[in-house]
Amino acid sequence: DPKIIQKPKYLVAVTGSEKILICEQYLGHNAMYWYRQSAKKPLEFMFSYSYQKLMDNQTASSRFQPQSSKKNHLDLQITALKPDDSATYFCASSHGTVSNERLFFGHGTKLSVL
Amino acid sequence: GDKVKQSPSALSLQEGTNSALRCNFSIAATTVQWFLQNPRGSLINLFYLVPGTKENGRLKSAFDSKESYSTLHIRDAQLEDSGTYFCAADITGNTGKLIFGLGTTLQVQP
Repeated sequence: DPKIIQKPKYLVAVTGSEKILICEQYLGHNAMYWYRQSAKKPLEFMFSYSYQKLMDNQTASSRFQPQSSKKNHLDLQITALKPDDSATYFCASSHGTVSNERLFFGHGTKLSVL
Repeated sequence: GDKVKQSPSALSLQEGTNSALRCNFSIAATTVQWFLQNPRGSLINLFYLVPGTKENGRLKSAFDSKESYSTLHIRDAQLEDSGTYFCAADITGNTGKLIFGLGTTLQVQP
């Protein structure tokens, strides 16, 4: 019974389009994150949110915009999609953002941009 | 991958044998976490570590912050241990950002 739900599991998009990746967690956590996993690269931190407030943003492009409508939601809007955006995007959560917090991941959304 | 270096990059084990994976840090890590990405792609948290050692079943992990490394020992390897093991370091201490290594891909053979 997954506690961090990501939708959709697979997504195919055309170059230039816009997509929203959905994430909801039911662990009662206060912090949520987005990470990206591309081929031959380490898992890469994108954003962290705590109590719906942005804590850290390591994504250079403004085409990636997190959206938090509720404490247990952190969606990721990606605009003007490029083939290089193809990757698996993982949502994660932890109780808080301080260093003594264990991170739990959703199952990922695999995005392919054609 | 260059701030967190994992070794070996790939490993094949016979069922029932033991092995050790290592993570070296070129940055000052406050805590370390180990994850297993299974063949279905799910990332499972194995350990969260402050400096010291933890054990869970056949797995044991250690983190030495002064020498900047962490290890993951697998005892009596089973087929279901196959997958990619990632270590990740927290260097900020307050934003939750983890720096991941490139992983060790483990194949356990019957």
